[in-house]
Amino acid sequence: NAGVTQTPKFQVLKTGQSMTLQCAQDMNHNSMYWYRQDPGMGLRLIYYSASEGTTDKGEVPNGYNVSRLNKREFSLRLESAAPSQTSVYFCASSLTSGSADTQYFGPGTRLTVL
Amino acid sequence: GQSLEQPSEVTAVEGAIVQINCTYQTSGFYGLSWYQQHDGGAPTFLSYNALDGLEETGRFSSFLSRSDSYGYLLLQELQMKDSASYFCAVGGTYKYIFGTGTRLKVLA
Repeated sequence: NAGVTQTPKFQVLKTGQSMTLQCAQDMNHNSMYWYRQDPGMGLRLIYYSASEGTTDKGEVPNGYNVSRLNKREFSLRLESAAPSQTSVYFCASSLTSGSADTQYFGPGTRLTVL
Repeated sequence: GQSLEQPSEVTAVEGAIVQINCTYQTSGFYGLSWYQQHDGGAPTFLSYNALDGLEETGRFSSFLSRSDSYGYLLLQELQMKDSASYFCAVGGTYKYIFGTGTRLKVLA
């Protein structure tokens, strides 16, 4: 069991470039999430997918798009990267979208936008 | 709106007991969770309280008072490996809302 995996681990982009962050889980979880973490600001929810085929905006969705490709995979796309999107991005999954369910996090992607 | 407040930093010595407080404001409350994150690592789940009272898991305990919108994480018999950031989180409109984290430094 790999748990939650993310690729890439590190990425440097120039302003205006696009990229897709990949996330996959092998725990047969229904719900998946994308967070960003900035120094001193904790984790902020970008988008989530309560179940396969559904996606919803979180607290900070502007500048991002997501795709729930299947039950295992949930990708995050930056169409035109901006320096304000420099952050660490974490993908997480949980059995259901209920708040009582433990969220399992991937190792993170460290993104720098120049 | 929804918000959580926790101290930014706490320092304690090895073997001691430390309490990390969390106060929250949310329109819909489902429970309070705690996560641990070591530098450069991913958050990992520690505990969850849906009802008032104390939940104990080994050296860690978590407490919730729904009437006071307050909870805390208690770490006993501190070890060097407990040096990390600790986040409280509540279920809300956008699923989890995380606090900004408390950095715990354990001194030898």
